[in-house]
Amino acid sequence: AQSVTQLDSHVSVSEGTPVLLRCNYSSSYSPSLFWYVQHPNKGLQLLLKYTSAATLVKGINGFEAEFKKSETSFHLTKPSAHMSDAAEYFCVVSDRVNFNKFYFGSGTKLNVKP
Amino acid sequence: NAGVTQTPKFQVLKTGQSMTLQCAQDMNHEYMSWYRQDPGMGLRLIHYSVGAGITDQGEVPNGYNVSRSTTEDFPLRLLSAAPSQTSVYFCASNPFRDRVYEQYFGPGTRLTVT
Repeated sequence: AQSVTQLDSHVSVSEGTPVLLRCNYSSSYSPSLFWYVQHPNKGLQLLLKYTSAATLVKGINGFEAEFKKSETSFHLTKPSAHMSDAAEYFCVVSDRVNFNKFYFGSGTKLNVKP
Repeated sequence: NAGVTQTPKFQVLKTGQSMTLQCAQDMNHEYMSWYRQDPGMGLRLIHYSVGAGITDQGEVPNGYNVSRSTTEDFPLRLLSAAPSQTSVYFCASNPFRDRVYEQYFGPGTRLTVT
């Protein structure tokens, strides 16, 4: 069975400091992993994806994530937070065997302080 | 391309009423799905379809019906609305081919059942 656990429901950082949003997954098969961002009252935008190529994945707006199979993790990082990064972030897992069903984590709200 | 479109953007229903949420995509994607988003729970899969004439249940299908008569359209029907169905509903689509592709999301429908 597939599942995603986002370890922090809220993260607060100061502008200019690093961001770390944690995600652990469970999948019986080779997973595909995604991070989406949702700004208040908006839809979901893809930040980055891992689909069995390079384990370090770079996304938009300076975000990146590293797939670690041994730790079943896919943490999202950014070296320096910007005020515009304040949003909710979702980690998502899927795989071909399960007909591309996408399973979402419960989300992490990122607050960026001036 | 318009991408994934959803109508209406907002809807208020009384308990027991029925309605259909519309979803359309113009990217010729085989895979379409419906999610509901509730605070602290991420997005949960209601129903999905891997092509015209093929649908299946997700995690929370009760109280909802779907059909897929064309590649472009995937309407979600609420048979008898209940307050527990108050939520934000997202439709998504992606190709369904040799690997897992990221999903493209519509802007959402905010539904309130009184």
